[in-house]
Amino acid sequence: RKEVEQDPGPFNVPEGATVAFNCTYSNSASQSFFWYRQDCRKEPKLLMSVYSSGNEDGRFTAQLNRASQYISLLIRDSKLSDSATYLCVVNRYTSGTYKYIFGTGTRLKVLA
Amino acid sequence: SAVISQKPSRDICQRGTSLTIQCQVDSQVTMMFWYRQQPGQSLTLIATANQGSEATYESGFVIDKFPISRPNLTFSTLTVSNMSPEDSSIYLCSVDYLRLDYNEQFFGPGTRLTVL
Repeated sequence: RKEVEQDPGPFNVPEGATVAFNCTYSNSASQSFFWYRQDCRKEPKLLMSVYSSGNEDGRFTAQLNRASQYISLLIRDSKLSDSATYLCVVNRYTSGTYKYIFGTGTRLKVLA
Repeated sequence: SAVISQKPSRDICQRGTSLTIQCQVDSQVTMMFWYRQQPGQSLTLIATANQGSEATYESGFVIDKFPISRPNLTFSTLTVSNMSPEDSSIYLCSVDYLRLDYNEQFFGPGTRLTVL
């Protein structure tokens, strides 16, 4: 079982739709949580970090449930430009250092 | 934000040869990370490179196959040794910066490697 699991999709949604992605992580020692966006043939870029209290950035809302080890990302009013792969990322300490664990990514395609 | 460059951006190599990938950051950073992203897959951490110490390798990756150098706080290299077609992948370096209450990772543009 992968340490960070996501539904790979693809999610095909019409413009203006609301879409939600889920992510689960297995290591309870995980400390920080993020959503990254990766466009085709490009490097990943931070979309938003995820706080226990939940956080919102424009059309994007991220939530964290530590008890269930579950992270979500909600995109409202989808735009064509939202088409990308969304990577769930977890940061945890191990052996005196820390590292980032990436989920497999969820592909989103917003259709005109 | 960090500006990270990688060289080469892409290469096609013969089986059995080695390729060294360079990663240059525009500011000093303590930790640099090397990832591999195989076609259609997510990122897998190869190793963490701290300046002044040996790189820390993840399970499944060994120094003989992926030697790493970290001569200073702005530069690192990853060598893919004795390549086989299974090494065909995108290799990315990254750094992270401490923000007010979280770390943000920045990635280089990647090196697209094809092994024939």
